[in-house]
Amino acid sequence: GAVVSQHPSWVICKSGTSVKIECRSLDFQATTMFWYRQFPKQSLMLMATSNEGSKATYEQGVEKDKFLINHASLTLSTLTVTSAHPEDSSFYICSARVTLNRATQYFGPGTRLLVL
Amino acid sequence: GQQLNQSPQSMFIQEGEDVSMNCTSSSIFNTWLWYKQDPGEGPVLLIALYKAGELTSNGRLTAQFGITRKDSFLNISASIPSDVGIYFCAGQGGNTGKLIFGQGTTLQVKP
Repeated sequence: GAVVSQHPSWVICKSGTSVKIECRSLDFQATTMFWYRQFPKQSLMLMATSNEGSKATYEQGVEKDKFLINHASLTLSTLTVTSAHPEDSSFYICSARVTLNRATQYFGPGTRLLVL
Repeated sequence: GQQLNQSPQSMFIQEGEDVSMNCTSSSIFNTWLWYKQDPGEGPVLLIALYKAGELTSNGRLTAQFGITRKDSFLNISASIPSDVGIYFCAGQGGNTGKLIFGQGTTLQVKP
């Protein structure tokens, strides 16, 4: 149980284009999902908290117009990197919380983004 | 803000040896989690701890929620090559649901 998937697993795009990453909870409903960014040899950095049916909450320093998050259903959250630039190249990982009473998060396999 | 210090940063051990790593927080946490991340993959949950003093095992892995609620350790017994990876501790101190992550411990096992 508590399986989270991400799609695509990797993407290469040209500078200036937008890229959408999907995060799905496969066997449970997730009212809250999280989006992280990870640079090589570093820990996970929380970008935003995605709540179903409401606006995402962004961490300080994360541009909400740059990283659009939509959590339209209890099993799907999407992250769109708009007008991507090479500095947006990174490993993006989503996670989902199973219950409101527990902080435990289950992570997706990640999406590697390379912007040329 | 809350900070987590995870140590050691890296370990290189012989197969069969036991391993111990720990995390300390500058403030009280109400949840401690331990994850393992393989290269190019997302973190996988190993053990979740919800009560101070709680000691939980998962196969060869054992983790404890410190009694002060400011620390946690993870032990791996009789290490094997597939234990190689990066181990992260994570904790939650409030009701936001957000996790704070340690810097990670890179484990290498020599066959």
